[in-house]
Amino acid sequence: DAKTTQPNSMESNEEEPVHLPCNHSTISGTDYIHWYRQLPSQGPEYVIHGLTSNVNNRMASLAIAEDRKSSTLILHRATLRDAAVYYCILRDANNNDMRFGAGTRLTVKP
Amino acid sequence: NAGVTQTPKFQVLKTGQSMTLQCAQDMNHEYMSWYRQDPGMGLRLIHYSVGAGITDQGEVPNGYNVSRSTTEDFPLRLLSAAPSQTSVYFCASSLRGEGAYEQYFGPGTRLTVT
Repeated sequence: DAKTTQPNSMESNEEEPVHLPCNHSTISGTDYIHWYRQLPSQGPEYVIHGLTSNVNNRMASLAIAEDRKSSTLILHRATLRDAAVYYCILRDANNNDMRFGAGTRLTVKP
Repeated sequence: NAGVTQTPKFQVLKTGQSMTLQCAQDMNHEYMSWYRQDPGMGLRLIHYSVGAGITDQGEVPNGYNVSRSTTEDFPLRLLSAAPSQTSVYFCASSLRGEGAYEQYFGPGTRLTVT
């Protein structure tokens, strides 16, 4: 299974942009790049996903490197409610199961 | 839509006891899965199902059984609980197919085995 590598933790100031990196050098052609986040004492929630092109939605943007070996989740203006663990996951389009890593714990300072 | 529901929210078991964690979804999703999350760790896949009557093992299946008799329900059974199974258990569901679909997670069941 393709694996992802993320920093253990990151800090941001409120209302500033946050760039959360993810490396996935062994990604295969059928792997989608998914991002989920987990707020304290809650189940994970979907943030965004992409295959090859950059993606935007109301929560975030996803920038995917041209060789697909890395990606960056961008929160345009961090709020205190964005403090969470962010997981970058590769999901195979053929079998759909997801393997979580340890994720990045984002702290947002007021 | 209620989404993904899990019962119970909390459970304490003694070593050797058995129990079933319930999971249900009302979104007609074919794909359902169970994860466990130990303190300070990411989620690990226990079992998953791609449709009624079909189940498969994930990363950490030992000590757990699943069945999928309907599209809506995907119960997880602990046959003989052990302290190592103390964890938070999450159920999830999604559409299935060649596209990538978001998974919807339940609120979790916090299990303590003494």
